[in-house]
Amino acid sequence: AQSVTQLGSHVSVSEGALVLLRCNYSSSVPPYLFWYVQYPNQGLQLLLKYTTGATLVKGINGFEAEFKKSETSFHLTKPSAHMSDAAEYFCAVSFSGGYQKVTFGIGTKLQVIP
Amino acid sequence: DAMVIQNPRYQVTQFGKPVTLSCSQTLNHNVMYWYQQKSSQAPKLLFHYYDKDFNNEADTPDNFQSRRPNTSFCFLDIRSPGLGDAAMYLCATSREQNRNPEQYFGPGTRLTVT
Repeated sequence: AQSVTQLGSHVSVSEGALVLLRCNYSSSVPPYLFWYVQYPNQGLQLLLKYTTGATLVKGINGFEAEFKKSETSFHLTKPSAHMSDAAEYFCAVSFSGGYQKVTFGIGTKLQVIP
Repeated sequence: DAMVIQNPRYQVTQFGKPVTLSCSQTLNHNVMYWYQQKSSQAPKLLFHYYDKDFNNEADTPDNFQSRRPNTSFCFLDIRSPGLGDAAMYLCATSREQNRNPEQYFGPGTRLTVT
């Protein structure tokens, strides 16, 4: 079975400050890991993904995440928050091999304070 | 641009009155999904199609049905909507390929039940 835990349902940062959104997963096999962003009344948009290879993954809008197998973590970071980053962020996990169900975390709402 | 399109974006229906939500894609992906997302919650998978093969989640109520007449289109039918079915409904697609396991989401249909 696979699961995702996102620590902190709400995170507030000042504009220009570091963004850190935490995600831990459990999986009995090597996982695929994703971060999605959702703006109000919109669908989910892929920020970045980890499948294999380099453990530091760069995504859109200046976000990146590092896969740490020993810590079963895939935290999302951005060096400097922008007002437009205010949204809800979902971490997700699936397995490799054909179709596999994606399990989403409960989401973290990011507030950016001017 | 290739994309996932959902119509309508907002749908109001009456308690017990059947409603159909539609999804189309220009990505030519072979897997299509329907998710239900309630306020401040993660998307919950209702079912998915792997080509023409329909896969229902065990906890999806019988009130929810789906049709996929061809690769491009998929419909969600709610036979007798209840107040608890008010939610955002998200359609997503993916390829069945290990290197590209991410899902592509439409903008969603927000369903209101009066």
